Amino acid sequence: EAGVAQSPRYKIIEKRQSVAFWCNPISGHATLYWYQQILGQGPKLLIQFQNNGVVDDSQLPKDRFSAERLKGVDSTLKIQPAKLEDSAVYLCASSSPGQGSYEQYFGPGTRLTVT
Amino acid sequence: GDSVTQMEGPVTLSEEAFLTINCTYTATGYPSLFWYVQYPGEGLQLLLKATKADDKGSNKGFEATYRKETTSFHLEKGSVQVSDSAVYFCALRLNQAGTALIFGKGTTLSVSS
Repeated sequence: EAGVAQSPRYKIIEKRQSVAFWCNPISGHATLYWYQQILGQGPKLLIQFQNNGVVDDSQLPKDRFSAERLKGVDSTLKIQPAKLEDSAVYLCASSSPGQGSYEQYFGPGTRLTVT
Repeated sequence: GDSVTQMEGPVTLSEEAFLTINCTYTATGYPSLFWYVQYPGEGLQLLLKATKADDKGSNKGFEATYRKETTSFHLEKGSVQVSDSAVYFCALRLNQAGTALIFGKGTTLSVSS
């Protein structure tokens, strides 16, 4: 079974530029999560989707961050414009109600550096 | 609010030493508790979990017991190996399947031979 795929793995941009990250969850997983992991901290949820609907986006900085999951499969996270403090690893995870414990499977992450 | 507190790192041990990484939590209700591990250059992997009080999660020689009375979920291993060098994250999930994880800050473990 293929894992959660993310691209790109690394991205360097200047502040005020825009950037987009892509995530393809494990096949059949209805729930998709985006987490932000700042260096030295644990991952923090940005947004959670159930199929193509948003379940929780309370911690998403909506003035600059947006995310979509139009067909209920893959998802994109966008930052526009980027700030220095957005430098972090962006993790995508997915889970399925078919698995009793709703275990979350994480992708390798996208490391963003904003200069 | 709901949160997880882990001991500060880095933790530096010699091979075959005993490992303890402390984790305490604050949560409403009865959360599920997890330990995730992040090896260098890799993504987060579930190491072990416990879903109710007094449950013991175990995997790869690591163990953690869900202690409701002390709101703790300390990670232990009797004899660490160099290959255990990684960052360890304690996390909780409020007791509703499908909800997001709340992570601690992580503890870096470095094991030398």
